[in-house]
Amino acid sequence: DTAVSQTPKYLVTQMGNDKSIKCEQNLGHDTMYWYKQDSKKFLKIMFSYNNKELIINETVPNRFSPKSPDKAHLNLHINSLELGDSAVYFCASSKRDHYEQYFGPGTRLTVT
Amino acid sequence: LAKTTQPISMDSYEGQEVNITCSHNNIATNDYITWYQQFPSQGPRFIIQGYKTKVTNEVASLFIPADRKSSTLSLPRVSLSDTAVYYCLVGDPYNFNKFYFGSGTKLNVKP
Repeated sequence: DTAVSQTPKYLVTQMGNDKSIKCEQNLGHDTMYWYKQDSKKFLKIMFSYNNKELIINETVPNRFSPKSPDKAHLNLHINSLELGDSAVYFCASSKRDHYEQYFGPGTRLTVT
Repeated sequence: LAKTTQPISMDSYEGQEVNITCSHNNIATNDYITWYQQFPSQGPRFIIQGYKTKVTNEVASLFIPADRKSSTLSLPRVSLSDTAVYYCLVGDPYNFNKFYFGSGTKLNVKP
C-alpha cells in the first residue's frame, strides 16, 4: 500500500493551460503539504492544510490553489501555466507535530 | 525563519563514517532540527530529528551543540546505497509556523 500517492507522475502541457495534480494519503495524518522542487533541487513549501484549513501559504502566485475535499486528499490546481512553473511537485503528509513528513513520489511538470 | 546552510557536496568511501554539518545561526527556541534523505526521482525520506544534545536511531546520529546554532548528521559506515542528497530542516513542529529546508548536501559514496 502506497502511503502518499500522486497523480500524474509526469505532466507535459503548454503555456496558458490549466492543470491539476492529485494527492492522497492513507496514513490518517492531519496535515498535508505541497512542495515545489526546482532544477537546482531547492525544496520550497507552497501550502499546508490541517483538517481542511489552510495554515501555511507561502508567497506563491495566486494561480496556484490547493483544494482539500477531505483529510486524505490535497489537490493542487494551477491556472495559466508559465514556463517557470516547470518543476517537480511533491505532496507530503504528517501528524500534527509535523517534523516527520511522508512524501509522495513527485509529479514532474513540464511547461512548453 | 531559521535559514540553514549546508555544504553543496561531499565525497566518501564505503565503510567510512560521514558527518554532514548544517548551520542555523538564528534558530528559534521552539525550533527542532530534522534531516531528510532524497534519492533521485523520489520524494525526501525522514532520517532523524532532535532538539538538543545527541539523538541516535538505527540509521544515523544527530549531534546538536549547546548553542544549537549548528547540527551534525552522522552516518556510520556508509555504503553505495547512501549516495543521495541530505537536507537539513529547521522549524517548530508544534506550531504551524513556516519551516525551511536547506539547499541540501549531495553525498557521493565511492567503492
